[in-house]
Amino acid sequence: DSGVTQTPKHLITATGQRVTLRCSPRSGDLSVYWYQQSLDQGLQFLIQYYNGEERAKGNILERFSAQQFPDLHSELNLSSLELGDSALYFCASSVGSRAGGTYEQYFGPGTRLTVT
Amino acid sequence: AQSVTQLDSHVSVSEGTPVLLRCNYSSSYSPSLFWYVQHPNKGLQLLLKYTSAATLVKGINGFEAEFKKSETSFHLTKPSAHMSDAAEYFCVVTGGSQGNLIFGKGTKLSVKP
Repeated sequence: DSGVTQTPKHLITATGQRVTLRCSPRSGDLSVYWYQQSLDQGLQFLIQYYNGEERAKGNILERFSAQQFPDLHSELNLSSLELGDSALYFCASSVGSRAGGTYEQYFGPGTRLTVT
Repeated sequence: AQSVTQLDSHVSVSEGTPVLLRCNYSSSYSPSLFWYVQHPNKGLQLLLKYTSAATLVKGINGFEAEFKKSETSFHLTKPSAHMSDAAEYFCVVTGGSQGNLIFGKGTKLSVKP
């Protein structure tokens, strides 16, 4: 158990809908990262937050957004869903720092999103 | 730009024989490199990391990896495979100053009895 929790574990929804995925980082970790794992694209970095502020963006679509709350949990919002958004979405956390740097990332169990 | 290439999409070994999973990296600066493992229907677990200290890095469950700058490689090895090692393994490099990770496409390890 990494100490990172994600809810829900599974999500099935229809095209055009909006969903919210939730992540709670390990105790003491200030950085949260979101990743998408799909069969065709593999594991891709989406976005990172540090202590409530957006720090880095990867291949995140404009239909997707995220935020990190004062209690450090994070939510990933996916809207106008398409079939191609079906994937496993992981959250990871690390200690992080204001200046950045490399810290071990600990991954949650993931949320499997199926868009029908 | 940073990237990693995992040279084999699938490796099959017999239980008790050595494991070698190959990874080459490309980085415009001194990289941090990791190996993660993903068991079926599970999340990702960190096996080991290299962050410019010792070039031979020991990880969990008997795995180790050697950083070779001249060959831009970071291969993962284990002397003796166990059935429980069957999983997908990802070679990973840090992609930016904030530490986001860039994953290879993964190597699926099968272990035969």
